[in-house]
Amino acid sequence: GAVVSQHPSRVICKSGTSVKIECRSLDFQATTMFWYRQFPKQSLMLMATSNEGSKATYEQGVEKDKFLINHASLTLSTLTVTSAHPEDSSFYICSAQGLAGIFSEQFFGPGTRLTVL
Amino acid sequence: GQQVMQIPQYQHVQEGEDFTTYCNSSTTLSNIQWYKQRPGGHPVFLIQLVKSGEVKKQKRLTFQFGEAKKNSSLHITATQTTDVGTYFCAGSTGNQFYFGTGTSLTVIP
Repeated sequence: GAVVSQHPSRVICKSGTSVKIECRSLDFQATTMFWYRQFPKQSLMLMATSNEGSKATYEQGVEKDKFLINHASLTLSTLTVTSAHPEDSSFYICSAQGLAGIFSEQFFGPGTRLTVL
Repeated sequence: GQQVMQIPQYQHVQEGEDFTTYCNSSTTLSNIQWYKQRPGGHPVFLIQLVKSGEVKKQKRLTFQFGEAKKNSSLHITATQTTDVGTYFCAGSTGNQFYFGTGTSLTVIP
């Protein structure tokens, strides 16, 4: 099946610093990538949807200046958590959707565990 | 806003018992997908249902999409310890998927 990687898998940073998370589709071109946040034992909360070459669409309540998303190519999307604070600590997961369109399954990355001290 | 609820939130079963999780949407869905997330892992795609009233089977798993396309269910027959994990439905109303609240399944050997 299709493989999506995320880097880093785990990051610990100080409050006020910025953290960049990369999401790559390794063996397919992803027209759409999704960024989710998951709190312990809770569901995935969609943060934003990004299409290659265009601005990301953010869900209500998600600060676009806080969570910068760049989808530079059909295989790479990045999420930058700017000026991170302890409440930003969470599990961030990306997923990628192939060229078949809106009815394609999503392939998930392994996730990034962010801890802000 | 779009809401996709799942019940139950938690389910403990003895190995060999059946298990069902239900997914309900506040609005009509274009399609629904089911994912399984093992403890410490990431969601893995199981299946997609598109047609009203559709039923699909994967070995011991039976997936159903309601006639009104607002609800779905996942039924596991004779659970095994390998079935442990959280099962999420994800409904689409356009070009976005909204995940259900999930059902965490524990199988007691």
